[in-house]
Amino acid sequence: DAKTTQPTSMDCAEGRAANLPCNHSTISGNEYVYWYRQIHSQGPQYIIHGLKNNETNEMASLIITEDRKSSTLILPHATLRDTAVYYCIVRARSTPYGGSQGNLIFGKGTKLSVKP
Amino acid sequence: DAGVIQSPRHEVTEMGQEVTLRCKPISGHNSLFWYRQTMMRGLELLIYFNNNVPIDDSGMPEDRFSAKMPNASFSTLKIQPSEPRDSAVYFCASSLAGGPPGSQYFGPGTRLLVL
Repeated sequence: DAKTTQPTSMDCAEGRAANLPCNHSTISGNEYVYWYRQIHSQGPQYIIHGLKNNETNEMASLIITEDRKSSTLILPHATLRDTAVYYCIVRARSTPYGGSQGNLIFGKGTKLSVKP
Repeated sequence: DAGVIQSPRHEVTEMGQEVTLRCKPISGHNSLFWYRQTMMRGLELLIYFNNNVPIDDSGMPEDRFSAKMPNASFSTLKIQPSEPRDSAVYFCASSLAGGPPGSQYFGPGTRLLVL
């Protein structure tokens, strides 16, 4: 699986957009970009994923560069409850029969602190 | 759906004792994962199952750790004998293999302290 590089920490003012970058310069053509977050004392939570097109859901938007070597997770209006560690992960699509593609490899992530 | 259910939520035990952690995945999911999280090592995959069959147990630290999945709705992670270095938060996650790629759903975790 390709490795990712994220800043260790970031601050964001409440109500402003939080833009979390991720570099994945060695990503392969069949690898997706996933974002998870972990709020203190809770299990990781799936946010969004994408292959090459930008994606948006009720939680966030994912912008992937044309060369797919980097991406940005955008929380459009950050709240205090968005304070968490955000993980960017790249991984190939799992097959119906599992295999080594089934697991996620979590790095250190970015600790986002949303401040009032 | 109640989500992934783990029990107990907290466990304190003494070194040498057997510890059993339990997980009930989301109904209909056919992949189950056990992770361990510590400050030093972060979040590590221990083992995962597809359709109740262990697929990759390379993350299991040593023979003291064992995991089973007797049916689609239940899995256990056992540590025997436990040691202080096993103290960590253990997460169980489930997903639908071949479904939306990569979206695993995590339980609340079991916080284990071995004295």
